[in-house]
Amino acid sequence: QLVESGGGLVQPGGSLRLSCAASGFSFSSYWMTWVRQAPGKGLEWVANIKEDGSEKYYMDSVKGRFTISRDNAKNSQYLQMNSLRAEDTALYYCAIGMRNYVHWGQGTLVTVSS
Amino acid sequence: DIQMTQSPSSLSASVGDRVTITCRASQNINNFLNWFQQQAGKTPKLLIYSASTLQSGVPSRFSGSGSGTDFTLTINSLQPEDFATYFCLQYYSVPYTFGQGTKLEIK
Repeated sequence: QLVESGGGLVQPGGSLRLSCAASGFSFSSYWMTWVRQAPGKGLEWVANIKEDGSEKYYMDSVKGRFTISRDNAKNSQYLQMNSLRAEDTALYYCAIGMRNYVHWGQGTLVTVSS
Repeated sequence: DIQMTQSPSSLSASVGDRVTITCRASQNINNFLNWFQQQAGKTPKLLIYSASTLQSGVPSRFSGSGSGTDFTLTINSLQPEDFATYFCLQYYSVPYTFGQGTKLEIK
């Protein structure tokens, strides 16, 4: 099970930290991923992180602004989002795995607006 | 970044029809492609991985093919629950990228 939290309304330029709490599987054995979906739009791959946190990858438009991390002791992954823009408004999903995303959370909504 | 272009963007079909959705990559991605289905208001569901391997539990009316730059998702004998939006995902290189989606609607 994956449960995201931390979304909300934030002004442009602001920050948010999303969390994804995992249970029911060996969290430390899996890559983890964030995918987002703007209202009424398609899916966007945002970032992923290796099992031990040693490798992290990002989509171009969030590089330098977003940071993915994980705490295997807490079975959780995080997405620190800084310098938020209106175009970051989306439902942010947490997913298990590097690419074969079988299990997804229900998402947490981030709205960037003044 | 690798661009993924799906066609058509939308498609109308009837129950029992056979439909094909195409995904084209901006460069060779071998077979590093997955297909997802997203029903309205739900989370995405993995249908096909490695371009042609059916995910466990997915009905056999779904099939995928292709390699290199051109890929297809075929649904035989459409069922009411198949009317949804379909996305491809390339994972040949980071950043991974989704296609823009194909919305399959009831005619």
